[in-house]
Amino acid sequence: KAGVTQTPRYLIKTRGQQVTLSCSPISGHRSVSWYQQTPGQGLQFLFEYFSETQRNKGNFPGRFSGRQFSNSRSEMNVSTLELGDSALYLCASSLGDKNTIYFGEGSWLTVV
Amino acid sequence: AQTVTQSQPEMSVQEAETVTLSCTYDTSESDYYLFWYKQPPSRQMILVIRQEAYKQQNATENRFSVNFQKAAKSFSLKISDSQLGDAAMYFCAYEIKGAELTFGKGTLLTVNP
Repeated sequence: KAGVTQTPRYLIKTRGQQVTLSCSPISGHRSVSWYQQTPGQGLQFLFEYFSETQRNKGNFPGRFSGRQFSNSRSEMNVSTLELGDSALYLCASSLGDKNTIYFGEGSWLTVV
Repeated sequence: AQTVTQSQPEMSVQEAETVTLSCTYDTSESDYYLFWYKQPPSRQMILVIRQEAYKQQNATENRFSVNFQKAAKSFSLKISDSQLGDAAMYFCAYEIKGAELTFGKGTLLTVNP
């Protein structure tokens, strides 16, 4: 069974631009969550979607947004990029609450 | 604020030996799940072991086992017969609601041949 797939794996953007990252969950998984990993802040929860509805949101500014489609695929968008947005963005999927959460390989974003 | 603390930023172990990674957490919830994830240089997070807080029995997965002390809010990971492939960053985490994980800062494990 295919794992969590994230695209693109690597990208470089300029400050002020916007970026969209994509995540395809494991087949059958309806929950998709996103995390940001940086050396300074560690792993931080961004948001979680279940059946196209955002259920939880972490403490991030409104520049960070996401959505989930009917096939459970999810995208996250960061607008007006800042240098501090440079990070590894990890997507994870699960069957739902209290089920094992599986991670993708991540998308490396560098903002210059 | 709910937190996870990993007090050992780095640990090292000789191949074939046993090592224990520490984790404490702080939550007022009674129903939650605890996890250890491994992140090798590839940066993919790999689930090592999971523990349901309502279960008293400690979880075990092959060479990996936990010591779960609910009253003390402690959740340590023991790796037996350490292998070179165990070298990675290890993260302790818990989940209280909605597939939202709260992570510790991680422990970098080095395995010496």
